[in-house]
Amino acid sequence: SAVISQKPSRDICQRGTSLTIQCQVDSQVTMMFWYRQQPGQSLTLIATANQGSEATYESGFVIDKFPISRPNLTFSTLTVSNLSPEDSSIYLCTATRGQMSHEQYFGPGTRLTVT
Amino acid sequence: AQTVTQSQPEMSVQEAETVTLSCTYDTSESDYYLFWYKQPPSRQMILVIRQEAYKQQNATENRFSVNFQKAAKSFSLKISDSQLGDAAMYFCAYRSAMEYGNKLVFGAGTILRVKS
Repeated sequence: SAVISQKPSRDICQRGTSLTIQCQVDSQVTMMFWYRQQPGQSLTLIATANQGSEATYESGFVIDKFPISRPNLTFSTLTVSNLSPEDSSIYLCTATRGQMSHEQYFGPGTRLTVT
Repeated sequence: AQTVTQSQPEMSVQEAETVTLSCTYDTSESDYYLFWYKQPPSRQMILVIRQEAYKQQNATENRFSVNFQKAAKSFSLKISDSQLGDAAMYFCAYRSAMEYGNKLVFGAGTILRVKS
């Protein structure tokens, strides 16, 4: 198994600023993903964080708004830029060990409130 | 693109009774995986049960079982002998076995309330 931690666990940010969320896995994983979960709603994939290369973004999400880094096999960051109240959400980091792996590990999420 | 539909926003069950949560999905693929996840108020996602599409036998994990109907693209979760600790949001999720990567596509979720 793998344990994922996220920092911060929650934050309140001003409109127009940015927040960077860190995701740390306690062991090496192959794939890392970032999801958004708006209050009371489902999880929507933002992007796949690729180690050593640019992230792969899903439709509706762009790098300028959600820059992602993944410098190694255990760590990734998601930045939410130019914040607006619509960005208020929970952001979840997940990871798996490989394409054939059934197990998906979930972080505890970061609750972002934009005022 | 694959989609997952959970048509029950909320369900209630009496403690010790049985409840079934519905899930349908749409895909053109023949090989895939289906999951039920539980998300309690703590937000930590917990895997409840997994089904491989190539297996005809329905998966079972203790009090949790699924009814997998591949032709109908239906994947319901049955919880027997419901307990107060089962109260949570339940998500049905799909993962392709063909596409590189382990992206999960989630349904909208069903809130399960357990009454004592």
